[in-house]
Amino acid sequence: QVQLQESGPGLVKPSLTLSLTCTVSGDSISSGDSYWSWIRQPPQKGLEWIGYISDSGNTYYNPPLKSRFTLSVDTSKNHFSLKVNSVTAADTAVYFCARAPLPGDSFDYWGQGLLVTVSS
Amino acid sequence: SYELTQPPSVSVSPGQTANITCSGDKLGDRYIYWYQQKTGQSPVVVISQNDKRPSGIPERFSGSSSARTATLTISGTQAMDEADYYCQAWDSGTAVFGGGTELTVL
Repeated sequence: QVQLQESGPGLVKPSLTLSLTCTVSGDSISSGDSYWSWIRQPPQKGLEWIGYISDSGNTYYNPPLKSRFTLSVDTSKNHFSLKVNSVTAADTAVYFCARAPLPGDSFDYWGQGLLVTVSS
Repeated sequence: SYELTQPPSVSVSPGQTANITCSGDKLGDRYIYWYQQKTGQSPVVVISQNDKRPSGIPERFSGSSSARTATLTISGTQAMDEADYYCQAWDSGTAVFGGGTELTVL
């Protein structure tokens, strides 16, 4: 059974950098069989895809978010990460990590989500 | 940028059929996926590739798609189906979600 678990701070001050990690179990990122995404959901709003990363580090970002968001992968730890620079209140959201077997497939496994609040 | 449009809310009586639509350009050229998200939970895919039901999803969930509209149909809707539903597609390598539809069973 594939499981994903987000970790990181629940509170970040404005203008700082948010760093989140998604640890994968039940699947090996280095197998190269899947693509690993971050998706966020502001309170009481819909889902917004941030981007995905492959085992080799190839990335693709949602164009409107590309400038402040960076994805990375550490296959030795079987986890992938998200950094968001210069956060504002608009970045307050539940952040999910998710797996898609291929770009173009559904997101078949999701983490439980992590609420991140940007506030001073 | 590509957009998918859903009605904000749909209401249905228990045992009746609920239809949730998702509209966008050239839907016939891409697959649509449907996710169910209950309060406080992660989304779960209920329909894949327009009309395929993943393992474990009840038969009352079905999907269809035409040139401009995809539809998620829940037959014999149950109280447990009350949730937010999102359609999703890929466009030029980008995952796009619809705004979501709140399904109320009353």
